[in-house]
Amino acid sequence: EVLLVESGGGVVRPGGSLTLSCAASGFTFDDFGMSWVRQSPGKGLEWVSGINRLGDKTGYGGSVKGRFSISRDNVQKSLYLQMNNLGADDTAFYYCARQGEGFDQWGQGTLVIVSS
Amino acid sequence: SYELTQPPSVSVSPGQTAMITCSGDSLPQQYAYWYQQKPGQAPVMVIFKDTERPLGIPARISGSSSGTTATLTISEVRADDEADYYCQGADPTTDSVVFGGGTKLTVL
Repeated sequence: EVLLVESGGGVVRPGGSLTLSCAASGFTFDDFGMSWVRQSPGKGLEWVSGINRLGDKTGYGGSVKGRFSISRDNVQKSLYLQMNNLGADDTAFYYCARQGEGFDQWGQGTLVIVSS
Repeated sequence: SYELTQPPSVSVSPGQTAMITCSGDSLPQQYAYWYQQKPGQAPVMVIFKDTERPLGIPARISGSSSGTTATLTISEVRADDEADYYCQGADPTTDSVVFGGGTKLTVL
């Protein structure tokens, strides 16, 4: 069974930093690109960042470029998202998603709340 | 920036057919993907590459694409189909992933 389990969410002050993790199991992790997708409460889906199989190519959505950094560890079968200079607009559920033909597997998400 | 446009809401009676559209200038050159999201749950892919169904998705859920519009069709709608549906594509100039704004399907 494919499992993606996010962790690392919580409450952080404006301007602060947080690192999210996604532990993968049930499939060959380094066969797939991976992405982070977020959803603010009551809003739609927003692609945050993606990384290819080897980890040598990354992409970012316009609202996070320059502040967030995606990485992966294929030995540990884990995906990460380093988030810096967080603002209220970054408050959201953050989902880890596997890039097969589209986003074919999703985690249950981890909630990040940016608040003073 | 590239946008995919969906109607905010669609309503349909049980047993009827629901059609949800997604418009984008680059859809003639790129595939559309569709996701279903029920309250409190993670999204689930229901259509990939315009028309393909993942394993476990019933045949009454189908996708099509013509010109700048992709369409998700749900036949014989049931109460359990009530959810938000999102289309997804890619920005042709940046390769960034783009989601439509989502459509809330209400089963009357």
